[in-house]
Amino acid sequence: QKEVEQNSGPLSVPEGAIASLNCTYSDRGSQSFFWYRQYSGKSPELIMFIYSNGDKEDGRFTAQLNKASQYVSLLIRDSQPSDSATYLCAVNQDAGNMLTFGGGTRLMVKP
Amino acid sequence: DVKVTQSSRYLVKRTGEKVFLECVQDMDHENMFWYRQDPGLGLRLIYFSYDVKMKEKGDIPEGYSVSREKKERFSLILESASTNQTSMYLCASSSFGADTQYFGPGTRLTVL
Repeated sequence: QKEVEQNSGPLSVPEGAIASLNCTYSDRGSQSFFWYRQYSGKSPELIMFIYSNGDKEDGRFTAQLNKASQYVSLLIRDSQPSDSATYLCAVNQDAGNMLTFGGGTRLMVKP
Repeated sequence: DVKVTQSSRYLVKRTGEKVFLECVQDMDHENMFWYRQDPGLGLRLIYFSYDVKMKEKGDIPEGYSVSREKKERFSLILESASTNQTSMYLCASSSFGADTQYFGPGTRLTVL
């Protein structure tokens, strides 16, 4: 069973701080990694994807991938109360276009 | 922008009823997916389809069926709804060869 693990949280950070969200995966063959944000009662919304080892930055968001250690992380700089949501990590499976989702980490940014 | 729509945001049905959930995407995507999401269990794949009239079982297909007669439309069918099918149902789509999935707004189904 291919697994994607996330700490369920809640992760609480003060406004303006850096939030660090982590995800580990079991399938060494995975090639694509995604971060989705999900507000309460809403559907997941794609934030970022990363394919290569290293960092990928998009505005206040940075995705980091380390395939050797099988983890992917999401950093949110200058966290805002509007960033309070559940963040889902998703990893592709080696057959077709299927994704395996982690259980999500709930982030709370306090003013 | 990719747009995925679902027929209802909220639905209340009775045990034993046949339930249809519809999903439509406007980006000519080949792949479409149905998930359910429950607290503590995350997103679980029910069925997916990679082409018209094609379907594959996901992790939890029991009690569900699907239909894809047109490329843009993917329907989830609960043949005889049960209370343990009360959940948030999410549809997603992606293009062939791409694994980025885009989600619809979700349908919160309650079975009484």
